Amino acid sequence: DQQVKQNSPSLSVQEGRISILNCDYTNSMFDYFLWYKKYPAEGPTFLISISSIKDKNEDGRFTVFLNKSAKHLSLHIVPSQPGDSAVYFCAARSSWGAGNNRKLIWGLGTSLAVNP
Amino acid sequence: DTEVTQTPKHLVMGMTNKKSLKCEQHMGHRAMYWYKQKAKKPPELMFVYSYEKLSINESVPSRFSPECPNSSLLNLHLHALQPEDSALYLCASSLIAGTGASANEKLFFGSGTQLSVL
Repeated sequence: DQQVKQNSPSLSVQEGRISILNCDYTNSMFDYFLWYKKYPAEGPTFLISISSIKDKNEDGRFTVFLNKSAKHLSLHIVPSQPGDSAVYFCAARSSWGAGNNRKLIWGLGTSLAVNP
Repeated sequence: DTEVTQTPKHLVMGMTNKKSLKCEQHMGHRAMYWYKQKAKKPPELMFVYSYEKLSINESVPSRFSPECPNSSLLNLHLHALQPEDSALYLCASSLIAGTGASANEKLFFGSGTQLSVL
């Protein structure tokens, strides 16, 4: 049962336009969400995060929006650049419970291609 | 220093070999992790060390043996692996683990060891 879902395996965007990557989750206990970016044969790099007490967090060209009622978050990249081409993973965690309940749960990733 | 350093970057081993993967961080992080990642899949948690004690083992086969000699070092000892164990092995660290203080649990990943088992 996939608790964090990234329903678009891939996305192609023109340079300079907005990239919107979507993520849905099913566990209402999740209260912290992260986006990681991954290039081939490298480890994931933390991009941006959001706590459930907020609905928006912005860092430069990257903004994450959280809609708790819809259990949906999205990552906006504007303007998109060719160097943003990578796989983007959405991940979520619950602060409740102990041990494995606090494990980071990952989506399957969305491969973003930004075309010059 | 905000890096997690992993060695070697690439490793090819036979099914009867014994090898070790090494990971080092000097950020003062007290939680360290081993993940396994196959192509086009998310990272898959294997082990978590918190304050140098093993706190999570995700039912990993015993042919993988983790070791945390001190707060900066994490090893993964490999023995009698199978070809299906070929993957990118990632080490990560975070300031702390499992306390619910989410911002401090942000993971910093190394570049990984690309392992091929023949």
